[in-house]
Amino acid sequence: SQQGEEDPQALSIQEGENATMNCSYKTSINNLQWYRQNSGRGLVHLILIRSNEREKHSGRLRVTLDTSKKSSSLLITASRAADTASYFCATDAGDYKLSFGAGTTVTVRA
Amino acid sequence: EPEVTQTPSHQVTQMGQEVILRCVPISNHLYFYWYRQILGQKVEFLVSFYNNEISEKSEIFDDQFSVERPDGSNFTLKIRSTKLEDSAMYFCASSRTSGGLGFGPGTRLLVL
Repeated sequence: SQQGEEDPQALSIQEGENATMNCSYKTSINNLQWYRQNSGRGLVHLILIRSNEREKHSGRLRVTLDTSKKSSSLLITASRAADTASYFCATDAGDYKLSFGAGTTVTVRA
Repeated sequence: EPEVTQTPSHQVTQMGQEVILRCVPISNHLYFYWYRQILGQKVEFLVSFYNNEISEKSEIFDDQFSVERPDGSNFTLKIRSTKLEDSAMYFCASSRTSGGLGFGPGTRLLVL
């Protein structure tokens, strides 16, 4: 299985702090994607990083990918209360199906 | 910005009944998917659909499941004879190519 596994399972931070979560996977990928899910809601695509990319930015989000270690990290800078959600990494081997990890639940305290 | 829509938002059914979950993918997307998330568990891939046929399916997607694109806009998931363990949130998704997927808000299915 090439499922992503996130670490930590849960993270609680103060508003304004940075939040970092990691994802590890097992086999070769075409790309890795990060999604956000607010409680009981659908998944929102945040960012996609291809296997030949090492770092990508989108607003307050920074994603890194290390294919030699089969790992990725998602950094949310200057967190806000609205960032409270579960964050999932999902790996894509180019076969049009995503394998999701169990997610990191982030709580941003005001 | 265009979004994937799903109906109904909630469905309660008796074990053994058939349910049809409906989705309207983003209009210029070519690839369509169903995923599900059992409460407290990972999001799991069920099936992908392209060019009017299934391109991939998981072990979960057994003979009780079927998908259809009955017209140019809808994409449906049918569960023929629901089981208790089919209770989950079902997400439809679509994409133009192998990029980020646009997910719908989900249908919460409860089988009693």
